[in-house]
Amino acid sequence: DSGVTQTPKHLITATGQRVTLRCSPRSGDLSVYWYQQSLDQGLQFLIHYYNGEERAKGNILERFSAQQFPDLHSELNLSSLELGDSALYFCASSDETGKEDGYTFGSGTRLTVV
Amino acid sequence: AQKITQTQPGMFVQEKEAVTLDCTYDTSDPSYGLFWYKQPSSGEMIFLIYQGSYDQQNATEGRYSLNFQKARKSANLVISASQLGDSAMYFCAMREGNRDDKIIFGKGTRLHILP
Repeated sequence: DSGVTQTPKHLITATGQRVTLRCSPRSGDLSVYWYQQSLDQGLQFLIHYYNGEERAKGNILERFSAQQFPDLHSELNLSSLELGDSALYFCASSDETGKEDGYTFGSGTRLTVV
Repeated sequence: AQKITQTQPGMFVQEKEAVTLDCTYDTSDPSYGLFWYKQPSSGEMIFLIYQGSYDQQNATEGRYSLNFQKARKSANLVISASQLGDSAMYFCAMREGNRDDKIIFGKGTRLHILP
């Protein structure tokens, strides 16, 4: 267990629907990052939140949004889903003050849009 | 422009042999960090090793070492005495600038260890 919790692990939904992916960072980590991993695009950075504030945006579609709550958990909302949104979505957290060890990743949410 | 390049989509290596996974990167920032992650078939991302741009020595973590050649912008991962459990996807990654900036990943190399 990495300490980063993502729910649900698997999600199957229809095109046009909306889903919410949840992430609880490792205890003490203030930063949460979201990544999308698809077969053709590899690991793509979506968005970064730090202590509730958006810090950076990557290749995130307008149909996608995210937020980080006061308890530091984060949610990634995906709407008007398309077949191409099927992917593994990772959340990662980091500690900016500790050892330089990169991110700690959650186990991911596998989204299948049918 | 692609910042992380992994030129080996797949590799097959005999068990107990050493293996080198190639990675080149591109940045104009003098301060950056380089990472390697392992993704087994189960899907989780596992941090392996880190090298800072100002580190004088190559990083090592157990059987993993990072061959850092700064002038060539190269950060190859070396796995000594490979094991069957090393079969996985390996990603090279980089973070420019501040420690809380995003990490960008290469497309990965799939490593197969043969018994």
